[in-house]
Amino acid sequence: QITLKESGPTLVKPTQTLTLTCTFSGFSLSTSGVGVGWIRQPPGKALEWLALIYWDDDKRYTPSLKSRLTITKDTSKNQVVLTMTNMDPVDTATYYCAHRVVGATVFNYWGQGTLVTVSS
Amino acid sequence: DIVMTQSPDSLAVSLGERATINCKSSQSVLYRSNNKNYLAWYQQKPGQPPKLLIYWASTRESGVPDRFSGSGSGTDFTLTISSLQAGDVAVYYCQQYYSTPSITFGQGTRLEIK
Repeated sequence: QITLKESGPTLVKPTQTLTLTCTFSGFSLSTSGVGVGWIRQPPGKALEWLALIYWDDDKRYTPSLKSRLTITKDTSKNQVVLTMTNMDPVDTATYYCAHRVVGATVFNYWGQGTLVTVSS
Repeated sequence: DIVMTQSPDSLAVSLGERATINCKSSQSVLYRSNNKNYLAWYQQKPGQPPKLLIYWASTRESGVPDRFSGSGSGTDFTLTISSLQAGDVAVYYCQQYYSTPSITFGQGTRLEIK
């Protein structure tokens, strides 16, 4: 059974760096084809893909936020970490991590999400 | 980026009736070499993460009821719920993965009961 869970601060101040951790079980990020992505959703708004890391440590980012994002993995801990620098109130959103379907960049298992509010 | 535009923004359908949601991409998401459309549909109920319903435009994810179906090719796609049930009230999103990994989602369509 695949599960994912996001953890991190619920409140960050403008200009601070956000660090979110996705802890997963039921699969290995060292298995060929596997990937974990981060997707966010501002309150009442649509989904926005942020970043994706593959089993071979290939990393991809949404172009508009690439300069602010870093995604890493710790295979031994079954964790993926997303950092986002220079946080702004417009970054207030629920942040999800999700398991990528092997062979297609769609997400079939999602964490419950964590709401991050950016406010001074 | 490929822009995904859904229509309508909201929709109210009677129980047992058919619901149809459309999704249009700003460029084709059909990959000629394998004849596959890189288009997926998700369902998101209030307070829950999205749930994958369909990918490759028409392949149902395991466990998804067969009243959900996807169709279309190129730039125009449709999600159809053949007989609406109360539990289908949700926001539905399309997603393209043609420009992987720069995937993009539609703005969402809110489905309610009439």
